[in-house]
Amino acid sequence: EVHLVESGGGLVKPGGSLRLSCAASGFTFKKYKMTWVRQAPGRGLEWVSSITDSGGYMSYADSVKGRSTISRDNAKGLLYLQMNSLRAEDTGVYYCSRGTTVQGSPDYSDSWGQGTLVTVSS
Amino acid sequence: EIVLTQSPGTLSLSPGEGATLSCRASQSVSSSCLAWYQQKPGQAPRLLIYDASSRATGIPDRFSGSGSGTDFTLTISGLEPEDFAVYYCQQYGTSPRTFGQGTKVEIK
Repeated sequence: EVHLVESGGGLVKPGGSLRLSCAASGFTFKKYKMTWVRQAPGRGLEWVSSITDSGGYMSYADSVKGRSTISRDNAKGLLYLQMNSLRAEDTGVYYCSRGTTVQGSPDYSDSWGQGTLVTVSS
Repeated sequence: EIVLTQSPGTLSLSPGEGATLSCRASQSVSSSCLAWYQQKPGQAPRLLIYDASSRATGIPDRFSGSGSGTDFTLTISGLEPEDFAVYYCQQYGTSPRTFGQGTKVEIK
């Protein structure tokens, strides 16, 4: 069974940094593209960032580009999102999700973690 | 970016009734790269449909997706109590991937 567990969220002041982690199990992590999606309180879903299976290509939403870095450790089954220069509008639940194994194709998220809450406030 | 507009915002129905949810894109969605997700309060989203009409693993056949180009539909034939939730469409054919704002299906 696919299992994704996020951690690293918390309360941070504007301008601060956080590193989110996602521990994956139940599947061959190194074969799958991975994605972070966030949800502001009471709002809809927003794609944040994705990374290919090898980690060789990353993509970002404009709202986080230049402030965030997605990475992965395939040996440990871990996905990361380093977020810097945090703003109030970055507040929300951050979900780690699994994509597909198909190279070079766009993908959806077929499994999701339960999310970790990030609150940016002074 | 492709803007997805879902309608209606809220659908009030009784168990057993059918539901039709719409997702309209501001431009054509590449290769029908459209997914539908269900989200219940306090839970993560769950994939229902991908590639516009393919059911994800374990999804009951009362859920079906259709459409192409700019107009897509999620149909639920015979609502079960566990189907009352918020539904989101997402296009993943063009970067950035975008989501619709959601349709809430509530008990009438």
